[in-house]
Amino acid sequence: DIQMTHSPSSLSASVGDRLTITCRASQSISRYLNWYQQKPGEAPKLLIYAASSLQSGVPSRFSGSGSGTDFTLTISSLQPEDFATYYCQQSYITPWTFGQGTKVEIK
Amino acid sequence: EVQLVESGGGLIQPGGSLRLSCAASGFTVSSNYMTWVRQAPGKGLEWVSVIYTDGRTSYADSVKGRFTISRDNSKNTLYLQMNSLSADDTAVYYCARLFDTAIQYFDYWGQGTLVTVSS
Repeated sequence: DIQMTHSPSSLSASVGDRLTITCRASQSISRYLNWYQQKPGEAPKLLIYAASSLQSGVPSRFSGSGSGTDFTLTISSLQPEDFATYYCQQSYITPWTFGQGTKVEIK
Repeated sequence: EVQLVESGGGLIQPGGSLRLSCAASGFTVSSNYMTWVRQAPGKGLEWVSVIYTDGRTSYADSVKGRFTISRDNSKNTLYLQMNSLSADDTAVYYCARLFDTAIQYFDYWGQGTLVTVSS
C-alpha cells in the first residue's frame, strides 16, 4: 500500500497567516493527489483534486501543488472557518489511502 | 441537490453483524462508483470498500471476507453488510461517491453513522 505522510501533524496559526501543509507519498503517484478538510463532527470536504485543481465552491485562498512524491496545500490568508484537520489522499492505486492529517489550531 | 444519508449504526457485541445503509438523492447510485470510508475515534480516514458501475467490488484487506458492499438500484441505496465485527471496526462509517474521470476523488460524503463494537 502507498503510505501518505503529513508534516507537520499539527500546527498553531493566526487569522491572516499564510499556511503551507506538506504531504509525502511513499512512492511516486504522479498528480493523483487530493486534499480534504474536516471539521469536528462533520464529514470530510473535498478541497483540491489532481494535486492543484480547486473543487467548485472552494475559496480561492486554497491552492495545491506538487507531483511525484511531494505535495503541498497552501492557504494564502487563514480565515476563522479554516481551523480544521486537513487530509491528503492518493488515488493512484487501490487501496486508496489517506495521510494521518494535519490539525490546524488557533494560536 | 446531491445528498447521502447513512443509517444503521449502533452498539453491537464483538462477533456480531450489522448492515449499514446509505440513501442517495440527486444522482444515480448505479451510475457511479460508490464507496465506504471509515474513521475510528480520534483517528484518520480509512477506505473500506468500493462498488463499481459494473457491479465489481473491492475491499481493504482489514475487512476482506467479513464485509460486503452492495446496492439496490430500485431504492438508489448503497449497503455495507458487516460480519464478525471486532473492536477494531469501531468507527464512524461514511458513504462517499468516488467521482471517476482522469483522476478519482471522493466528492460527496454522507454525514456518517457510528458503529461501536463492545461487550
